Amino acid sequence: GIQVEQSPPDLILQEGANSTLRCNFSDSVNNLQWFHQNPWGQLINLFYIPSGTKQNGRLSATTVATERYSLLYISSSQTTDSGVYFCAVASNTNAGKSTFGDGTTLTVKP
Amino acid sequence: DGGITQSPKYLFRKEGQNVTLSCEQNLNHDAMYWYRQDPGQGLRLIYYSQIVNDFQKGDIAEGYSVSREKKESFPLTVTSAQKNPTAFYLCASSSKRDTEAFFGQGTRLTVV
Repeated sequence: GIQVEQSPPDLILQEGANSTLRCNFSDSVNNLQWFHQNPWGQLINLFYIPSGTKQNGRLSATTVATERYSLLYISSSQTTDSGVYFCAVASNTNAGKSTFGDGTTLTVKP
Repeated sequence: DGGITQSPKYLFRKEGQNVTLSCEQNLNHDAMYWYRQDPGQGLRLIYYSQIVNDFQKGDIAEGYSVSREKKESFPLTVTSAQKNPTAFYLCASSSKRDTEAFFGQGTRLTVV
């Protein structure tokens, strides 16, 4: 099946700093999502982005499908951004089956 | 209120017992999914269903069973054959296969 690798595994920032999270995948995809898991375990949708670039406030994401990676940018980070960020993909050859990466744990310090 | 409802939020099970986790959605979505999350790890797919009366095994289906008799409901049974059932279970739905998925708040299952 498709392999999904997220980096870095852990990231510690000072409030106000910017960060870039990366998601590499091993096959062509027709579905890619970014999620933020809060301390209570709830998965919050950030972006549905199988290709292209999207922005939502301080967050933006870019997926370069031909090179098999996606980037999540967080600008002017806040303590409420802390949590685990997951990338999930579904390959063209295994439609319907999303595979999650192991996540990036972000800690934003005041 | 539209969304995905999982119940209960916390569940305790004795060894050897079967237990059923509920997942209901009122989003009129065709596809539904069950995932398992262990501490410090990502989500792993247990079962998924793209249409009523049809479902497929995910990556870790052993010891679990599902049914999809109604579009809005996709219950998961954790059977006694599941050797290590203590985990966080998350249900999701999407309008069609491989479109944006939305998650419920999860059920924490503990074997006592």
